[in-house]
Amino acid sequence: AQSVTQLDSHVSVSEGTPVLLRCNYSSSYSPSLFWYVQHPNKGLQLLLKYTSAATLVKGINGFEAEFKKSETSFHLTKPSAHMSDAAEYFCGSSNTGKLIFGQGTTLQVKP
Amino acid sequence: ETGVTQTPRHLVMGMTNKKSLKCEQHLGHNAMYWYKQSAKKPLELMFVYNFKEQTENNSVPSRFSPECPNSSHLFLHLHTLQPEDSALYLCASSLTGTSGSSYEQYFGPGTRLTVT
Repeated sequence: AQSVTQLDSHVSVSEGTPVLLRCNYSSSYSPSLFWYVQHPNKGLQLLLKYTSAATLVKGINGFEAEFKKSETSFHLTKPSAHMSDAAEYFCGSSNTGKLIFGQGTTLQVKP
Repeated sequence: ETGVTQTPRHLVMGMTNKKSLKCEQHLGHNAMYWYKQSAKKPLELMFVYNFKEQTENNSVPSRFSPECPNSSHLFLHLHTLQPEDSALYLCASSLTGTSGSSYEQYFGPGTRLTVT
């Protein structure tokens, strides 16, 4: 069975410091993996995706994620947080066309 | 904003009302989805349509009735809802390929539904 676990429900960082949002997946086959961001009262916006090409994936707004098969992880990182990064982040996994989401991580950015 | 639009953005309805949510995608996709997003809960996939045919119904109560007249439009008809149905309803679309293909989904802004 396919599942996604976001290890932190809430992450708080100071502006200008690195961001790390953790995601582990479980899948019988090599999945496609995604990170989405949701700002208040908005829909989900795709940040980046992994589809079995390069294991380090670069996305929009300076975010990137690294696929580690041995650890079944796909953590999202950004070197320097900006106030506008404060939002809800969702990790997703798909290997049959059905997208499974994690519970979400709220990122708080303090001035 | 993406190429997926949803109307209305906000809806308040009584439990005896009938209303419909509308979704339209301008991306040339052939799959469309309805999700429910409640506070403190993960995103719940409700329905999936591929080439206008319903391919998935995740045990959604019959008071929610989807309709997909073509690959660009998706509706969710609502009747005799309960207060616990209050949530953000998100529409999404994607390409669809052969079994095992996984394309990213593009989401609309959602309809905030309140049932009183």
